[in-house]
Amino acid sequence: AQSVAQPEDQVNVAEGNPLTVKCTYSVSGNPYLFWYVQYPNRGLQFLLKYITGDNLVKGSYGFEAEFNKSQTSFHLKKPSALVSDSALYFCAVRDLIQAGTALIFGKGTTLSVSS
Amino acid sequence: EAGVTQFPSHSVIEKGQTVTLRCDPISGHDNLYWYRRVMGKEIKFLLHFVKESKQDESGMPNNRFLAERTGGTYSTLKVQPAELEDSGVYFCASSQGGTGRAQYFGPGTRLTVL
Repeated sequence: AQSVAQPEDQVNVAEGNPLTVKCTYSVSGNPYLFWYVQYPNRGLQFLLKYITGDNLVKGSYGFEAEFNKSQTSFHLKKPSALVSDSALYFCAVRDLIQAGTALIFGKGTTLSVSS
Repeated sequence: EAGVTQFPSHSVIEKGQTVTLRCDPISGHDNLYWYRRVMGKEIKFLLHFVKESKQDESGMPNNRFLAERTGGTYSTLKVQPAELEDSGVYFCASSQGGTGRAQYFGPGTRLTVL
């Protein structure tokens, strides 16, 4: 069955340090992969997506993610974290073969950036 | 361009009552989705409209949930009668047609059933 795993409930980093939020997935076919961010009392905001092509995808707010097919991973990264990056991050996948257009989400990872 | 809007932002009802949630998608988006997040768990797909037609309702938990999208514009999700386990945050999302399009989410409706 298709699934998404975000192995860390919380990631803590100091401002200015690089950050990584991990995501692995399991699908039957080729995946479409997405990252969303949710700030307090707000909806999910789209950050970036991988459909095909270059494995390194750049998105909003300086975030990027690397698609690794052999490791079935799509980790979210940022070279230098900001306090304002503190939020809840969700990884999601579309399995075109099994699940149509529905997004399958991970449980979310809370990112806390300290000043 | 206005984003996806949802109403109400919060709803507190008693078990057995009826609640109707509304979603207004981004103008021009034919695809409309409903998702739900129960406390501390994953966001789960409920159903998908293409214009006014239900494309996929495989995620609807039971027949107490009824979704409509009359005229292919806004959508409503009715829960009747509500049960305690229906509590959670209900998200609506919309997207343009075509594979690989990102879904854009509304702020959600937090439903609490007492």
